[in-house]
Amino acid sequence: GEDVEQSLFLSVREGDSSVINCTYTDSSSTYLYWYKQEPGAGLQLLTYIFSNMDMKQDQRLTVLLNKKDKHLSLRIADTQTGDSAIYFCAEEVKGFQKLVFGTGTRLLVSP
Amino acid sequence: NAGVTQTPKFRVLKTGQSMTLLCAQDMNHEYMYWYRQDPGMGLRLIHYSVGEGTTAKGEVPDGYNVSRLKKQNFLLGLESAAPSQTSVYFCASNSGQGSSNEQFFGPGTRLTVL
Repeated sequence: GEDVEQSLFLSVREGDSSVINCTYTDSSSTYLYWYKQEPGAGLQLLTYIFSNMDMKQDQRLTVLLNKKDKHLSLRIADTQTGDSAIYFCAEEVKGFQKLVFGTGTRLLVSP
Repeated sequence: NAGVTQTPKFRVLKTGQSMTLLCAQDMNHEYMYWYRQDPGMGLRLIHYSVGEGTTAKGEVPDGYNVSRLKKQNFLLGLESAAPSQTSVYFCASNSGQGSSNEQFFGPGTRLTVL
């Protein structure tokens, strides 16, 4: 079945770049997503990438997709303390309107 | 436009008790989902619905039942709660249209089963 894996923790200093990595298994996924969860809240869509793209940039966020290796990454430039949160990678299960989420990466940004 | 709302926000149950979690969305979305979030395991899909009157099993459906009698509501029931069902429960909805198939999440219900 589908499986999405992420590392559990990442710690960076304010102003540095953060890179969160994800691997997935379903090569037929049409969309791949990054969701952000702040403490005590639900998930919010941060960005997504269509499977026929290699890269997507949205202000401080850059998503890179390597379909051959089934590897997705999220780069946050100039990371701020407000970026501290849990970041979830998710792949779409094609044809079923379902998502499979990774375990989430807790990003801690220190001043 | 409230988006996705969940009630209650918190609940403590004793083993064997029953309860229903309510999810409501005011976006006229066709698809609705119930997830549970546990430390180190991400979000796991319990049940979902592709439209009013329909339900389907997700990844971890055992011990839960759902109903979608009205398009805007998706109920999650625990008939006989167990400590293993201690978790944070999230509801989400999706229009099934548009360019991104984004799921919109509620704020969560924190359930403790003693």
